[in-house]
Amino acid sequence: QLQLQESGPGLVKPSETLSLTCTVSGGSITNNNYYWGWIRQPPGKGLEWIGSVYYSGTTYYTPSLKSRVTISVDTSRNQFSLRVSSVTAADTAVYYCAIEHREDYFDFWGQGTLITVSS
Amino acid sequence: QSVLTQPPSVSGAPGQRVTISCTGSTSNIGAGYGVHWYQQLPGTAPKLLIYVNNNRPSGVSDRFSGSKTGTSASLAISGLQAEDAADYYCQSYDSTLRGRVFGAGTKLTVL
Repeated sequence: QLQLQESGPGLVKPSETLSLTCTVSGGSITNNNYYWGWIRQPPGKGLEWIGSVYYSGTTYYTPSLKSRVTISVDTSRNQFSLRVSSVTAADTAVYYCAIEHREDYFDFWGQGTLITVSS
Repeated sequence: QSVLTQPPSVSGAPGQRVTISCTGSTSNIGAGYGVHWYQQLPGTAPKLLIYVNNNRPSGVSDRFSGSKTGTSASLAISGLQAEDAADYYCQSYDSTLRGRVFGAGTKLTVL
């Protein structure tokens, strides 16, 4: 069964760049049935889709974050990554990576990692 | 503000049936895009509960069911149990935003 694990710094300073990696195990990231997505959840709030990537490198981003977000895929390492630039306190959230089915639903989720933006 | 509208909270007694609504528009649910539902237990990652309107993944109890009509969808939970207490989110695709969208979530309390 496919499993996902997020990894990242935990604490990021304002104006810096947040970088997270999601490692896929139990299957190949080149599976053409899936996209690979990032979703975040600010403390006590709801879910927000950030963006998704196909193994070919094709990306889709939510409009409100598009100018600051980059999602990439590394097929050799079976990983995909998220970068969010110029972060502020509003970017503090639990960040989840997830497997996205071609019909736009998220099959499986990583356990999530809390990223705090603070000096 | 979410493009998919859910009630902030619902409640029910054990054994009862509750429904959670998800209201969208002609650019998402009404455009024919599938509606999906997730259950998030306290302190855990969301779990897929219903996909493409009314389909249950393997292992999800048949007490959970989904439906869709026009620009709205609903999640029904029958035979309510204490362990159903959680946050529930609907999700679809929006053609105007050109992306996946979530409702703001509904907190289910089992009385």
